[in-house]
Amino acid sequence: HVQLQQWGAGLLKPSETLSLTCAVHGGSLSGYYWSWVRQPPGKGLEWIGQINHYGSTSYNPSLRSRVTISIDTSKNQFSLRLSSVAAADTAVYYCARHGGYYQDYWGQGTLVTVSS
Amino acid sequence: QSALTQPASVSGSPGQSITISCTGSSSDVGGYNHVSWYQQHPGKVPKVLIYDVTIRPSGISNRFSGSKSGNTASLTISGLQTEDEADYYCNSYTSGNGYVFGTGTKVTVL
Repeated sequence: HVQLQQWGAGLLKPSETLSLTCAVHGGSLSGYYWSWVRQPPGKGLEWIGQINHYGSTSYNPSLRSRVTISIDTSKNQFSLRLSSVAAADTAVYYCARHGGYYQDYWGQGTLVTVSS
Repeated sequence: QSALTQPASVSGSPGQSITISCTGSSSDVGGYNHVSWYQQHPGKVPKVLIYDVTIRPSGISNRFSGSKSGNTASLTISGLQTEDEADYYCNSYTSGNGYVFGTGTKVTVL
């Protein structure tokens, strides 16, 4: 049974860099795409980007200039970095696996708050 | 990329059927048969109900069904139950090898 466990700093100041990591338990990174999704408080879901086990990435055009998604196959985990954060980046961030063209397994979510 | 358009809210009585629409463009919903639907209860992680327009994952009730016509996809919930009260999001693969979510629909069971 696949489980995604995510962690990272929950409180950032404006202009800092958000960094989150998602570890995959009970399955391999190989053969799948892995995504990050966020949800501002009281608002909808927003797809941030994805990566496969080869390291091939694609990003939401609205975030592309600030986002980097990386993968570490030796540790069976992948990571998100979002630079120059602002209050508008305050959200619950989720990692997720793509079973195909959909997200079938999700991490527990991490609330990241940006405040001075 | 703009979020797919969903109605903000839909309501129905127990036992009734409701349909949630999800409107995009030829670059997403209309261009690919890769529309999925997610249910999210307050404070919980989203759960996939439908993928590739019409396919239900194992364990998902057959009360949930999906369809698509042109640039609009739809989720129908039949035999509405109190536990169906939640937020629902559509999602589509896009021409930029990415994804876009819908604006979300709050379903209320009267």
